[in-house]
Amino acid sequence: DIQMTQSPSSLSASVGDRVTITCRASQSIRSSLNWYQQKPGKAPQILIYTTSSLRSGVPSRFSGSGSGTDFTLTISGLQPEDFATYYCQQTYSTPTFGQGTRLEIK
Amino acid sequence: QVQLQESGPGLVRPSETLSLTCTVSGDSISSYYWSWIRQTPGKGLEWIGYIFYTGSSSSNPSLKSRVTISIDTSKNQFSLKLSSVTAADTAVYYCARVFYGGNSGEYLQDWGQGTLVTVSS
Repeated sequence: DIQMTQSPSSLSASVGDRVTITCRASQSIRSSLNWYQQKPGKAPQILIYTTSSLRSGVPSRFSGSGSGTDFTLTISGLQPEDFATYYCQQTYSTPTFGQGTRLEIK
Repeated sequence: QVQLQESGPGLVRPSETLSLTCTVSGDSISSYYWSWIRQTPGKGLEWIGYIFYTGSSSSNPSLKSRVTISIDTSKNQFSLKLSSVTAADTAVYYCARVFYGGNSGEYLQDWGQGTLVTVSS
């Protein structure tokens, strides 16, 4: 299995901040990397697919970049509704997820 | 807008078979890939497998020998069976629709609300 490691595991930030979450794969996954947002008691929702493509309806303050083994999710100008847990997922081989990054209000 | 709803027992005895059904509404199941995923506090999100409307399926090698995924296009449903369950299979189980776009990527496009299945005697 390809292991996905996210950092940090948790993050405190304020409304309006710019935050970056990192996801590292144990081997190259080219650009086969997705990002999901999950709020308490809800299912994850796709934000970004194939590293940098924004799902329709997702605000443009979300962006993704990277390739190979290192990827980032950036949120520019945090909004109150963005405080949630974020997961990366690789689909290069048997899909696997990162352990999640919990974004909390400072 | 497509909606997915998981259904099945919330409690399963150890060594028995977990059975869940996902009912799809708002779109035909006779297209797309359909997937099962589970989530535990300890292991996080785990992909279980997926099935195409033709019946072609694939599952996680770590679970493969215990997993059966099937589809019933007449009922717009697909199902999961996980045999020989233990406490480690206690999780929230989700069904999801897969966007599979070849070079355009693959992702879990729409999700059910999830159902908690507890394995306990």
